[in-house]
Parts: sequence; structure tokens; C-alpha cells
Amino acid sequence: ETGVTQSPTHLIKTRGQQVTLRCSSQSGHNTVSWYQQALGQGPQFIFQYYREEENGRGNFPPRFSGLQFPNYSSELNVNALELDDSALYLCASSFATSANTGELFFGEGSRLTVL
Amino acid sequence: DQQVKQNSPSLSVQEGRISILNCDYTNSMFDYFLWYKKYPAEGPTFLISISSIKDKNEDGRFTVFLNKSAKHLSLHIVPSQPGDSAVYFCAASARRGSTLGRLYFGRGTQLTVWP
Repeated sequence: ETGVTQSPTHLIKTRGQQVTLRCSSQSGHNTVSWYQQALGQGPQFIFQYYREEENGRGNFPPRFSGLQFPNYSSELNVNALELDDSALYLCASSFATSANTGELFFGEGSRLTVL
Repeated sequence: DQQVKQNSPSLSVQEGRISILNCDYTNSMFDYFLWYKKYPAEGPTFLISISSIKDKNEDGRFTVFLNKSAKHLSLHIVPSQPGDSAVYFCAASARRGSTLGRLYFGRGTQLTVWP
């Protein structure tokens, strides 16, 4: 059974650029969530996808967008990058019933630095 | 607004002793609580959880206690081992009226277990 994998693990962008982060869900999982973890903070919910549809969104602006594909892999896109977007971005997958209780399976994250 | 609070950023405990990590929450809609453990360069991993209908849940060396009237929960690790050294996140979810599986995290407590 493969776990949640994310790519890239590290990347550096400049302010105003766009970035795409990728996630492969754990086998059998149909729900994916994205979290942002800034330095010294806990993970903050960005949004969740279930069956390729956005299924809830946290307090993030529209320049944060996502996709979920039929194979349950997912992308997080961030446009017009700002310095405060520098953070660890975590992808978490689950099966719908376990998502009910929040027992999520996290990837190791993508560390984004915006200069 | 931080709905889940971990007021101790760090805790240092000798091997074999008890580690007690504390967490407070403000949202009375939360009905499921979880603890995640995070090692450097890895994603958070699920440790133990408790439903709001219970006041205690035990799994081996790990026990979580929930005091709903005080909106407080704690994680006890007995006996503590050096391999327990990690950042521990308290998280909460509301299974009604909210995105299923959306977790609200505290800022984490760095536990160090020394020999």
C-alpha cells in the first residue's frame, strides 16, 4: 500500500509568480485535503476535494485553487504569490468514512519559499 | 482566531516518566478530537483520537482525556521513550455543520524525551 506522496519537496519562487503542487493520494482514498503550515503554526485548512468537486474551503483567497483527478491525485495552484505564502503545504487523503472523523493520512509536504 | 490552543510550545521529560501534553478549544461544535505526531521532514501521523461522547481513550502507552465542561483535553504518554520526541499537534473536527474531515489544529508542542 503506497502512502501519500507530494512533489516537489522544496521549491523557491518569486513574488507574483504562480506555483503548482502535486499530491498522489493513498491507494483507496477518495478524499483529499490541503493544509498550509506556516513557521511556528499548526496546519491551516485550505480546501477539500471529494469526487473531483471542492467540498469545503477555509479562509484562503481565490488565488488558491485546486483540482482532483479521476485517479484521486490532486493539485494545489497558487497564483500571484506573496511573501506570506511561504510555508509547508501538506496534502492529506482519506476515505470518505474516515474523513468523517478527521483521521487523515498526510504526505511529507512541499516547502515553498517566496522571495 | 485560534479555536484550538496548545499553550506550551515545548515540554522536556526524562525517559520512563510521564509526558502530559495539554490542549484547549473554544468551539463547542467540536465533537471529535485527535492527536497527531510530527517528526522533522515528515508529515503529521495520526496517533490517537476521542469522541466527545467519551472522556477517556487508551491505546498502549497513549491515553487521551477529554473534559468537555472545561473544553480541555490532554495526552498522557507513559512511560515516555526517546523515540517519542516529536512535535505533537492537537486537532479537532465538527462532524455536523462543517466540512467533514476539516481539522482545526493547535500550534503544536515540541516534546523532548531525554535519557
